[in-house]
Amino acid sequence: GENVEQHPSTLSVQEGDSAVIKCTYSDSASNYFPWYKQELGKGPQLIIDIRSNVGEKKDQRIAVTLNKTAKHFSLHITETQPEDSAVYFCAARVALSNFGNEKLTFGTGTRLTIIP
Amino acid sequence: DTAVSQTPKYLVTQMGNDKSIKCEQNLGHDTMYWYKQDSKKFLKIMFSYNNKELIINETVPNRFSPKSPDKAHLNLHINSLELGDSAVYFCASSRGTSGRGYEQFFGPGTRLTVL
Repeated sequence: GENVEQHPSTLSVQEGDSAVIKCTYSDSASNYFPWYKQELGKGPQLIIDIRSNVGEKKDQRIAVTLNKTAKHFSLHITETQPEDSAVYFCAARVALSNFGNEKLTFGTGTRLTIIP
Repeated sequence: DTAVSQTPKYLVTQMGNDKSIKCEQNLGHDTMYWYKQDSKKFLKIMFSYNNKELIINETVPNRFSPKSPDKAHLNLHINSLELGDSAVYFCASSRGTSGRGYEQFFGPGTRLTVL
């Protein structure tokens, strides 16, 4: 099955600096890569996603890049703010031939702390 | 308006007991999920239902039994609770199966503690 590795497990950056979180996946059949943000005591919330036919996607201060050849994708947060502090998860979805059995495999999470 | 709700938010119980967690979504979605998040924050899918039909069952012990009475509800019943069942359980829903890349909306979670 799919295996998703995520690094680093913890990341501290000064407010205003950029943060980068990286993930690698194992199954070349994966074609959808969402990123979720989980604040303390809450459920994960989708912040950005990218499909395999796109190399980069940006939404204000958040961007995601995908390298299908190397099977890795990254989350970039610029001009970080205290409210960016949270746990971030990457995920990958494998498109299988038997419709309905597709699922998301999550990375192990990155705890991002923004230092004021 | 709460999109995906779970009850209870906290559940503390003794080993060997049977307990249930309820989930409801008011988004009109067709697919619902149960995830388990352990103490290290690792998030892993347990079950997925599409239109009340079980489509994913990820090597979960038989003590866990999901039930979907209708598209808006997916409950999780756990028999003979064990210490290792202590975790946060998240319910989620999406417009279709995750295979279509539809965003999954997560509930607030139920923190289960087995003593």
